[in-house]
Amino acid sequence: DAGITQSPRHKVTETGTPVTLRCHQTENHRYMYWYRQDPGHGLRLIHYSYGVKDTDKGEVSDGYSVSRSKTEDFLLTLESATSSQTSVYFCATSSTDTQYFGPGTRLTVL
Amino acid sequence: TQLLEQSPQFLSIQEGENLTVYCNSSSVFSSLQWYRQEPGEGPVLLVTVVTGGEVKKLKRLTFQFGDARKDSSLHITAAQPGDTGLYLCAGGGYNTNAGKSTFGDGTTLTVKP
Repeated sequence: DAGITQSPRHKVTETGTPVTLRCHQTENHRYMYWYRQDPGHGLRLIHYSYGVKDTDKGEVSDGYSVSRSKTEDFLLTLESATSSQTSVYFCATSSTDTQYFGPGTRLTVL
Repeated sequence: TQLLEQSPQFLSIQEGENLTVYCNSSSVFSSLQWYRQEPGEGPVLLVTVVTGGEVKKLKRLTFQFGDARKDSSLHITAAQPGDTGLYLCAGGGYNTNAGKSTFGDGTTLTVKP
């Protein structure tokens, strides 16, 4: 298994506050991804990275930004959290077609 | 846009029964992955199939990739409560852009003791 950790694992925040989620990998995988998972919607790609400082938008990127300053770290920022961003967020990495997932972060925006 | 449709969406069976779940698309994929996700955890890779017609077995689980690389099936023999979870299929495109995969919405399997 790829060594992927996410922090925090749980967070409750208020509408309008900024939130940053961290993903850390020890596998030196080139590609990293942020997904959100909601009932009835499956896994939806928010942003992804194909190298240090190289990122691009996924299908649900509005209200989110990312940064990757090191191979091992990929940060997801909710610039001003809204209740619609309440979800479970998963980070994943890959070196080929196969993706390896972290344990997830459950975010609640009140 | 490549789409993967999984069926059935929900499946509830008794321990010991056999079952098959499906993953279908109109697009061709260079490879296809099956994942299992348990509540409160991230998806865990079960298998990757890459060759049209390929069959892989993982204990009581049998995975098949369609000849045309557009579909796949997962068959579980003598299901056990420990098989309960969300089964996701994902496809990699021929020209995988940054390794991105297309995910289906999953089949939620419940195996009752």
